[in-house]
Amino acid sequence: EPEVTQTPSHQVTQMGQEVILRCVPISNHLYFYWYRQILGQKVEFLVSFYNNEISEKSEIFDDQFSVERPDGSNFTLKIRSTKLEDSAMYFCASSEGEKGEAFFGQGTRLTVV
Amino acid sequence: RKEVEQDPGPFNVPEGATVAFNCTYSNSASQSFFWYRQDCRKEPKLLMSVYSSGNEDGRFTAQLNRASQYISLLIRDSKLSDSATYLCVVNDQNYGGSQGNLIFGKGTKLSVKP
Repeated sequence: EPEVTQTPSHQVTQMGQEVILRCVPISNHLYFYWYRQILGQKVEFLVSFYNNEISEKSEIFDDQFSVERPDGSNFTLKIRSTKLEDSAMYFCASSEGEKGEAFFGQGTRLTVV
Repeated sequence: RKEVEQDPGPFNVPEGATVAFNCTYSNSASQSFFWYRQDCRKEPKLLMSVYSSGNEDGRFTAQLNRASQYISLLIRDSKLSDSATYLCVVNDQNYGGSQGNLIFGKGTKLSVKP
């Protein structure tokens, strides 16, 4: 069964450092997303990406965040200068259509110290 | 502010019980509705989409009431493996627009006991 894969599974970084979280969406999917979940809280939308550009972003997705699809398979989330409050589980997701069912990767647990 | 509200639970039920979860959503323009399950510290996994006419998948039945902006999930003959947090999820639709990003409820925790 095709799945979304994310690396690394866990990343520890010092405050102020840059991190890049990587995702390989399901191969025939066209819509890609990043969500985050702070421990004990609900899953929150960050950004959606289609046709090589951002289609929507939330207020969480400020100038410290960026996304990229550097090649035909990878989809990355970069946080330029991490803050303590960026500590969360980051989930990548993809869907075939824009209103279709989204499938999530296993997540990257980011810990900022 | 667009919200999805759920009873956080926990629902503690014996094996074999029937349990129902409810959810309300605030965005009347939403077009797509889903139930996901999430195990502790894992990713959300799609359980089922919810259609206007209601739909069933084995022991799981989902209902949608657009007028009341209300979604439900019924689990019959609960198994130990059903223990998880159930997330009500709605797409963030704008009138006249198209949107695929999802709004999640906080989830309802289910614990099925032997």
